[in-house]
Amino acid sequence: DAKTTQPTSMDCAEGRAANLPCNHSTISGNEYVYWYRQIHSQGPQYIIHGLKNNETNEMASLIITEDRKSSTLILPHATLRDTAVYYCIVTFSGNTPLVFGKGTRLSVIA
Amino acid sequence: EAGVVQSPRYKIIEKKQPVAFWCNPISGHNTLYWYLQNLGQGPELLIRYENEEAVDDSQLPKDRFSAERLKGVDSTLKIQPAELGDSAVYLCASSQSPRETQYFGPGTRLLVL
Repeated sequence: DAKTTQPTSMDCAEGRAANLPCNHSTISGNEYVYWYRQIHSQGPQYIIHGLKNNETNEMASLIITEDRKSSTLILPHATLRDTAVYYCIVTFSGNTPLVFGKGTRLSVIA
Repeated sequence: EAGVVQSPRYKIIEKKQPVAFWCNPISGHNTLYWYLQNLGQGPELLIRYENEEAVDDSQLPKDRFSAERLKGVDSTLKIQPAELGDSAVYLCASSQSPRETQYFGPGTRLLVL
């Protein structure tokens, strides 16, 4: 699996958009970008995933650059409940397990 | 739709004692995973099941850890005997197939004294 690089921590004001970057410069053509988050004392929660195109669901938007070497997870209106560790994972979505890095610790501040 | 269910949520045992964790995946999910999460780290895969078959157990410490998934639904992960270093969160996840999104349970937090 390709490795990912994420900032260790970020702060975001409540009500503002949170933009979480992820670099995956060695991603291969058939690898997906997945985002999970983990709120304290809970299991990882699936957020969104994509291959080439930008994706949006009820939780977030995923913007993938044209060369696919980086992506950004956007939480459009962050709330205090969005405070969590966010993991960007690149995977074949096949017979390989999810390989979690250390993620980005997002703190939403009132 | 019910999510992945794990029990117990918390377990405290003394070293050298046995312990077991139980997981009930999302209905219809044929693929089941057990992950280990140490403090401050991301989860790491221990074992993956396709129905009843363990297809990836290369990271499972087989001298003290065992797992089973009888009938291809519920799964149990066992440690015998537990060591101090086994204190961690044990997460179960499931997916419809290996190519589909994994959904995680809340985890079992184990403390070995």
